[in-house]
Amino acid sequence: EPEVTQTPSHQVTQMGQEVILRCVPISNHLYFYWYRQILGQKVEFLVSFYNNEISEKSEIFDDQFSVERPDGSNFTLKIRSTKLEDSAMYFCASSLLGGNTIYFGEGSWLTVV
Amino acid sequence: SQQGEEDPQALSIQEGENATMNCSYKTSINNLQWYRQNSGRGLVHLILIRSNEREKHSGRLRVTLDTSKKSSSLLITASRAADTASYFCATDTGANSKLTFGKGITLSVRP
Repeated sequence: EPEVTQTPSHQVTQMGQEVILRCVPISNHLYFYWYRQILGQKVEFLVSFYNNEISEKSEIFDDQFSVERPDGSNFTLKIRSTKLEDSAMYFCASSLLGGNTIYFGEGSWLTVV
Repeated sequence: SQQGEEDPQALSIQEGENATMNCSYKTSINNLQWYRQNSGRGLVHLILIRSNEREKHSGRLRVTLDTSKKSSSLLITASRAADTASYFCATDTGANSKLTFGKGITLSVRP
């Protein structure tokens, strides 16, 4: 069964460093998302991406965050200057169409020290 | 309270019993989806129910949706130890499909 794949599974970074989290969405999907889950808390929406542009973003997704689809398969989340509070599990997700099932990857654990 | 609130927050049952988990939400929705998350792992999609549907089945799972009460329930029949996980409901309100998650229910199934 097709799946969303994410790398790395776990990354430890120094505060202030840049981090890029990578995702390969399901191949024929058109909508892409990033969510995050701080340990012990609910899953929070960060950003949605469709037709090569951001379609919606949350208040969390401030200027230090950016997303890119550099080629036909990858979808990346960049955090420019990491803060301690960015420590969380980051999930990439995709769906074929808006209003359809959204499939999530296994997540990337980010620990900022 | 917030969109997608589940209850109970924790549920412990014996293997073989049925588990019922509830979710309430505040605003009108397009779809409601249930997900399972094993500790430290990804979100596994279980079932999607649309606002014009009242009930859906998938294997041992049964989901109901009552839009008049803004609530949904997930029933797992004949539970197994492997069903031990956190369960989340998530709603979307339109074509953009941004999901709003609840805090989740921790289900423990004792062998």
